[in-house]
Order: sequence, then structure tokens, then C-alpha cells
Amino acid sequence: KAGVTQTPRYLIKTRGQQVTLSCSPISGHRSVSWYQQTPGQGLQFLFEYFSETQRNKGNFPGRFSGRQFSNSRSEMNVSTLELGDSALYLCASSLIGTSGTDTQYFGPGTRLTVL
Amino acid sequence: GESVGLHLPTLSVQEGDNSIINCAYSNSASDYFIWYKQESGKGPQFIIDIRSNMDKRQGQRVTVLLNKTVKHLSLQIAATQPGDSAVYFCAEKEAGANNLFFGTGTRLTVIP
Repeated sequence: KAGVTQTPRYLIKTRGQQVTLSCSPISGHRSVSWYQQTPGQGLQFLFEYFSETQRNKGNFPGRFSGRQFSNSRSEMNVSTLELGDSALYLCASSLIGTSGTDTQYFGPGTRLTVL
Repeated sequence: GESVGLHLPTLSVQEGDNSIINCAYSNSASDYFIWYKQESGKGPQFIIDIRSNMDKRQGQRVTVLLNKTVKHLSLQIAATQPGDSAVYFCAEKEAGANNLFFGTGTRLTVIP
């Protein structure tokens, strides 16, 4: 079974631009979560989607948004990019998500650099 | 808020020795704990997990210990190999939720 895939793997943008990142979960997984990883803040939860609905949201500004499609694929969008948005953005998928031992499996991430 | 922290940011071990990576958590409501391994340029890779109703779980060369009394989690790697060199994260989540809270990570370096 193929793992979680993310595209693109690398992205360079300038301040003020917007960006869209894509994630394809493991086949059969319906929950998709997004995380931001930076050297200073570590791994932080952005949001989770299940059945095309945002089910949970972390403490990030409204510039960060996402959506999920009927095939469980997900996209996240960051508008008005700031230098501090430079990070590795990770997507993780799980079967349902709320079951006690429903493991999240991560993709390789998208490395975003904001200049 | 919840916090998950690691005691040691770096750990160096000789090849063949056992490694122990520790993690402290603060959220008493957390009922599921996971260890991930992250190699350079890759996403976190699932290693082993444990539910709060257990205190020990073993996998292939790895063992996770959970002490709920002191809110402490540890990962033991037996016969550490060079391929084990990576950053290790502990993560926790509450029942009914799917957002993981991660520790700061420990960099394990295996010396050949």
C-alpha cells in the first residue's frame, strides 16, 4: 500500500504571496492532519480534516486554511506569506482519527522557504 | 496547555549498545502515546505506540515504557545500529481527539 504523498516537495515563495500544498493520504484513510515543523517551535498541529470537514484546529492565524475532497485528498493554503512561515509542512493520515490507537502516518513533507 | 518535553536533546551511543530516550508529558488526559523516528529530509516514521492502560509494550528491538504516576515515557532500543541514528519524538493525544502533541525531539547518534 502506498504511503502518504505530498506535493510539491520543495517550494520557494516571496513574502506576501500565497501557496497551496497538496496531500494524498494512504488508501482507505479518511482523516488528514497537517503539522508545521520548525527548528524553533518543533512540530505543531495545524488542523485536521475528516469527511471533508475541519474537525480540529490548532493555534494558527486565519492565513492558514485547508480543505479536504471527497476522495480524502487534502490541500492546505497559506495566504500573505511571512518569513516566519518558512517550515516543513507535514501531512499525516489515519483511518478515522478518533479511535484510541488510530495511528497517524506521515508523508515526507513540503519544504517551504519564504524569501 | 499540554506540553511534551524531552529530557535530553542529544544522545550518543556506541553501536551495539542499548539506547534509552526519555520523554515527560503533562496532560493527564492523554491516553495514547507514540514514538516517531525522523531521518534527515523525511517525515516522522511510526516506531511504536502504547495506550494508557498499559505500562510496557515491545516491538522489534524497541520497547516503550509508560509511567503514568510520574507522566514519563521512554523508548528503549536494543543493540543500537547506525541506521538508528535520527531524531526521535514522543507524541501524545487525548481520547476522542486526533491532534498530536509532540515533544522537542532527541537526536540519537550511533558511533560505529
